[in-house]
Amino acid sequence: EAGVTQSPTHLIKTRGQQATLRCSPISGHTSVYWYQQALGLGLQFLLWYDEGEERNRGNFPPRFSGRQFPNYSSELNVNALELEDSALYLCASSLWSGQEQFFGPGTRLTVL
Amino acid sequence: AQSVTQLDSQVPVFEEAPVELRCNYSSSVSVYLFWYVQYPNQGLQLLLKYLSGSTLVESINGFEAEFNKSQTSFHLRKPSVHIRDTAEYFCAVMRSGGSNYKLTFGKGTLLTVNP
Repeated sequence: EAGVTQSPTHLIKTRGQQATLRCSPISGHTSVYWYQQALGLGLQFLLWYDEGEERNRGNFPPRFSGRQFPNYSSELNVNALELEDSALYLCASSLWSGQEQFFGPGTRLTVL
Repeated sequence: AQSVTQLDSQVPVFEEAPVELRCNYSSSVSVYLFWYVQYPNQGLQLLLKYLSGSTLVESINGFEAEFNKSQTSFHLRKPSVHIRDTAEYFCAVMRSGGSNYKLTFGKGTLLTVNP
């Protein structure tokens, strides 16, 4: 069974641009979570999607947004990129809300 | 709100020595507890979990953790480590029940196993 997949592996952008990150959950999983792992800040919860709806978001500005598609895959959009957005963005999925989360390999976003 | 404290940022040990990675949490409600491992340039892998039942949980590669509610701890142990165990280990909590299923992570412990 395939695990959580994320694309692209690496993404390089400049300040002010927009970035789009994609995630495909494990087959059968309906909940998708996004986390940011930035140097010195640790792992921080970004967004949670379940059944196509945004259920919760962490303490991030509105320029971090996303969506979940009918096939449960998800997209994270970061607008007006800032240097401090450089981080590893991890996507996780769970069979349903409240179950253990399984992580993908991440997308390394570098903002120059 | 929940919080997690991993008391050691780095733990160096020699191969075949025992190791304990400490994790304490704070929460006003019941929680689920997890340990994740992150190898260099990779995502997180679930190592073990405590949801309910026996307070001692084990992984397939020899790690174990014990949930201690009175001490609000979930320390990770292995009686004999290998070079391949070198990685960063993250303790995490999730509120059980309710409507917020985010994971709250500790800052991680870098385990370095030396020959």
